[in-house]
Amino acid sequence: GAVVSQHPSRVICKSGTSVKIECRSLDFQATTMFWYRQFPKQSLMLMATSNEGSKATYEQGVEKDKFLINHASLTLSTLTVTSAHPEDSSFYICSARDWENTEAFFGQGTRLTVV
Amino acid sequence: AQTVTQSQPEMSVQEAETVTLSCTYDTSESNYYLFWYKQPPSRQMILVIRQEAYKQQNATENRFSVNFQKAAKSFSLKISDSQLGDTAMYFCAFMKHVWGIEFYFGTGTSLTVIP
Repeated sequence: GAVVSQHPSRVICKSGTSVKIECRSLDFQATTMFWYRQFPKQSLMLMATSNEGSKATYEQGVEKDKFLINHASLTLSTLTVTSAHPEDSSFYICSARDWENTEAFFGQGTRLTVV
Repeated sequence: AQTVTQSQPEMSVQEAETVTLSCTYDTSESNYYLFWYKQPPSRQMILVIRQEAYKQQNATENRFSVNFQKAAKSFSLKISDSQLGDTAMYFCAFMKHVWGIEFYFGTGTSLTVIP
């Protein structure tokens, strides 16, 4: 299957700082990208969906100003956690699909720890 | 919004035996896709099997098969000849028709294969 690379795999940041997570589709053009948050032993919670060149659509309860999503190219989407707090510590996963694929391909995930 | 429900938080099966994981969903859409994903301890999401709603024939992929009951909105996964490597979290997922951009996961079932 297609490859989605997510970076970094782990990041530790200080409370109040911002951290950026990148999601790249390596061998296909990702017209749609999804960002999820996963708490330990729980399911993936969809945070937002972004189409290339458009503003992201956020799920209810997700703060747009806190979780900034950019999908400026067909191979890259970024999630920036602004003014991070310890409660933002979690596992974040991206997935991507192109216009003809019915399958979404997943990145490896990023474990964010805010101290 | 669509909802996906997995009523079995945890299951176990003896090695080489067969196990069935349940999934129900709720949607008003007529055309959509259903998936089963596996998440091992590495937390990398792996596609196990997919089913197009417009296809009546149940999907199969080696030891994995589904029982898709569209009228009942049920989509169960059967794993035959269970192997130790099948131990993982299993998530049922729903995606709208190919032009849609909504992708939702169930709550997950933790499967343990016992040697």
